[in-house]
Amino acid sequence: DGGITQSPKYLFRKEGQNVTLSCEQNLNHDAMYWYRQDPGQGLRLIYYSQIVNDFQKGDIAEGYSVSREKKESFPLTVTSAQKNPTAFYLCASSSRTATNTEAFFGQGTRLTVV
Amino acid sequence: RKEVEQDPGPFNVPEGATVAFNCTYSNSASQSFFWYRQDCRKEPKLLMSVYSSGNEDGRFTAQLNRASQYISLLIRDSKLSDSATYLCAVSAPGGSYIPTFGRGTSLIVHP
Repeated sequence: DGGITQSPKYLFRKEGQNVTLSCEQNLNHDAMYWYRQDPGQGLRLIYYSQIVNDFQKGDIAEGYSVSREKKESFPLTVTSAQKNPTAFYLCASSSRTATNTEAFFGQGTRLTVV
Repeated sequence: RKEVEQDPGPFNVPEGATVAFNCTYSNSASQSFFWYRQDCRKEPKLLMSVYSSGNEDGRFTAQLNRASQYISLLIRDSKLSDSATYLCAVSAPGGSYIPTFGRGTSLIVHP
């Protein structure tokens, strides 16, 4: 089955730690995105990548880093510089053609700082 | 002004009611429009795309009004299982088709 897989589902981070969230897709999509969702809030764009080995900052990139070494993979690292990382993190992908731009999501990673 | 705006609700309706949500967008160059459904503590799932001519899928009807820059979602004969948050998403070629989401509208269908 084609889809997007995020892991882990739940993640606990200690103060000062870096953690990496995994996102893998087998939909052959060029574009991949990371969003953050806080309770009662919409989705805010952290980073996006439209092609392998290229990525761009979104609206709230500070304290986060990404890589796109393979088309299928777009991991997100939440660094210690992110002061309020507790949130629901969603990875998405899309084919990004002019007529087919809908995004599909992974199941999300719920990150909690302890 | 936010790029994509939705009334957060909640919309509290009885089973069988018809309910409609609107979503306004600020970028007149937007070309792609979608409605997503998000259940509590789950990921958003695509409900339907919104075409210029409007589209219908069973009890759900989506429409686009380019002149006034909004999209709408109409749900007829509401079911308890329709209770969820409904997110609209908009993308534009100038923005590399990156989906921009509204904060969602909460729907609660009660017996």
